[in-house]
Amino acid sequence: DTEVTQTPKHLVMGMTNKKSLKCEQHMGHRAMYWYKQKAKKPPELMFVYSYEKLSINESVPSRFSPECPNSSLLNLHLHALQPEDSALYLCASSPQTGVDYGYTFGSGTRLTVV
Amino acid sequence: GENVEQHPSTLSVQEGDSAVIKCTYSDSASNYFPWYKQELGKGPQLIIDIRSNVGEKKDQRIAVTLNKTAKHFSLHITETQPEDSAVYFCAAPLAGTALIFGKGTTLSVSS
Repeated sequence: DTEVTQTPKHLVMGMTNKKSLKCEQHMGHRAMYWYKQKAKKPPELMFVYSYEKLSINESVPSRFSPECPNSSLLNLHLHALQPEDSALYLCASSPQTGVDYGYTFGSGTRLTVV
Repeated sequence: GENVEQHPSTLSVQEGDSAVIKCTYSDSASNYFPWYKQELGKGPQLIIDIRSNVGEKKDQRIAVTLNKTAKHFSLHITETQPEDSAVYFCAAPLAGTALIFGKGTTLSVSS
């Protein structure tokens, strides 16, 4: 299995809702990442997990809450989002957090906040 | 702060022509430089990468060159085909941690 699987593919939520994005990989990778991508922009780093521990939080608002229950699974919990949070949320994984590993990306969750 | 600059932002070529996309980086300690292709509705896909101990790497019609002294690296696509049309991103490590991406190049190959 050489894929990163993200669910759901599309999500529409109201500003008072609570929802979660899920990411799964079975490549034995010990580093996992959340990126946010707005239309016609590059992916922007949000969080980095290394060996199930949060190692980087790029000053992301607390309405985004990451969780790594085990080495294969990464969640992003969403609460009280704003319309400007609408974007493509990408999950990625790599063998480790190092400076010379390529990332494998999922296809993303297209989030719309109404 | 650390960043990666990418040029051009758009590139239109005729099928069969070559395409070149260039990136510069600021962190002289960076030693890994991947290129990603993103098609509509999909996540970025790694197409080629290069490490600082080599100056060039080739994979069929795709090649990457690296100039560590000048801190820039380039993607070369030869004999372009319509299916090469996509957005291409270069990336480099942010302070030795995670990858940060250039702003992207939209490549259009017309037949």
